[in-house]
Amino acid sequence: EVQLVESGGGLVQPGGSLRLSCAASGFTFSLYNMHWVRQAPGKGLEWVSYISNSDTVYYADSVKGRFTISRDDAKNSLYLQMNSLRAEDTAVYYCARSIGWLDPWGQGTLVTVSS
Amino acid sequence: DIQMTQSPSTLSASVGDRVTITCRASQSIGSWLAWYQLKPGKAPKVLIYKASTLESGVPSRFSGSGSGTEFTLTISSLHPDDFASYYCQHYNNYWPFGQGTKVEIK
Repeated sequence: EVQLVESGGGLVQPGGSLRLSCAASGFTFSLYNMHWVRQAPGKGLEWVSYISNSDTVYYADSVKGRFTISRDDAKNSLYLQMNSLRAEDTAVYYCARSIGWLDPWGQGTLVTVSS
Repeated sequence: DIQMTQSPSTLSASVGDRVTITCRASQSIGSWLAWYQLKPGKAPKVLIYKASTLESGVPSRFSGSGSGTEFTLTISSLHPDDFASYYCQHYNNYWPFGQGTKVEIK
């Protein structure tokens, strides 16, 4: 079964850092491009970042310069390093496999930025 | 940048109703459009890709249509399990989402 499981969310103070992880199983992770998508409380989905299977990366303007996406194909894992966190970064963060469209998605991990 | 505009933002409907959600792109995107269903606490799920292709395992009451700049998601007869939020997304030039449509019980 193709599965993605996020971890690493939690409460962090404004200006702090957090690293999210996404563990992949059930498919050959190294062959696929991957995404991070977030949903703030009461808001819609927002695409955050993309990494190709050859490490080409893209970011939404809202996180550019603060977030870094990476992957470790040997560990079948995707990461999102989040620095200089702001209150508006509070959201559930999802990882998703890219097959053009996004499928599947993980269940998400909650990041709360608050003092 | 391509912008996706979805309407309505909220839709009140009853079991058995036919429901239509619209998604418009700020420029032509061909058929590079997907529809997703979101439920609280669950992983988002793709329903439709390439504007009109039904994902395997998705009930046939869901359908998608359109190309270019205007797209629709239709639920032919609303089931209790369909009360959820729905999002369109373009996936060939970055990956913008529409603002979402919450389908609630009337």
